[in-house]
Amino acid sequence: GESVGLHLPTLSVQEGDNSIINCAYSNSASDYFIWYKQESGKGPQFIIDIRSNMDKRQGQRVTVLLNKTVKHLSLQIAATQPGDSAVYFCAETLNTGNQFYFGTGTSLTVIP
Amino acid sequence: DTEVTQTPKHLVMGMTNKKSLKCEQHMGHRAMYWYKQKAKKPPELMFVYSYEKLSINESVPSRFSPECPNSSLLNLHLHALQPEDSALYLCASSQELARLNEQFFGPGTRLTVL
Repeated sequence: GESVGLHLPTLSVQEGDNSIINCAYSNSASDYFIWYKQESGKGPQFIIDIRSNMDKRQGQRVTVLLNKTVKHLSLQIAATQPGDSAVYFCAETLNTGNQFYFGTGTSLTVIP
Repeated sequence: DTEVTQTPKHLVMGMTNKKSLKCEQHMGHRAMYWYKQKAKKPPELMFVYSYEKLSINESVPSRFSPECPNSSLLNLHLHALQPEDSALYLCASSQELARLNEQFFGPGTRLTVL
């Protein structure tokens, strides 16, 4: 028979290179966005967030860019390290916290 | 203590069994969440408790029954599950319902329904 499964987008980068992970969100009313990192066997871990009144926010080695016109979010990781290998999810929500949705996720593999 | 703990780590149950998943946090958080995560998919919100009251139920089947006995504990009672309910069940907590950026996740319970 035929098997149907979800294809998790994957990204492979060399250690030391920069990584860019993209996310398209669906709700134009969403005004708060979060990036999470999920390592194998663990729950998601908060990385960085951004509010809709901003288009860029920087953290330690990470930058999030928000383009509200095309409903697109990206996570840039500078000087990617093996410990960055994980699945990365974006999440969108309304400020009330009453609606909260994770995006599809991207599996990042860092090649030493 | 900045940790959310979940027990058991793994659970195998038959379709006629009754079991419970447990979640605990001692960070003084007043919002607690249950998520379901299938393999290679994002977590899906199931239930949210705020100040020990059920705040959000994302149209979850009644075979899943949440309970918040006190501000530190969150249970998920399981009864008459189906094989398609097999998944990783994640618990999370945050200071308040709207503080999602402060949401701490537990490691999850890997559930298999036979």
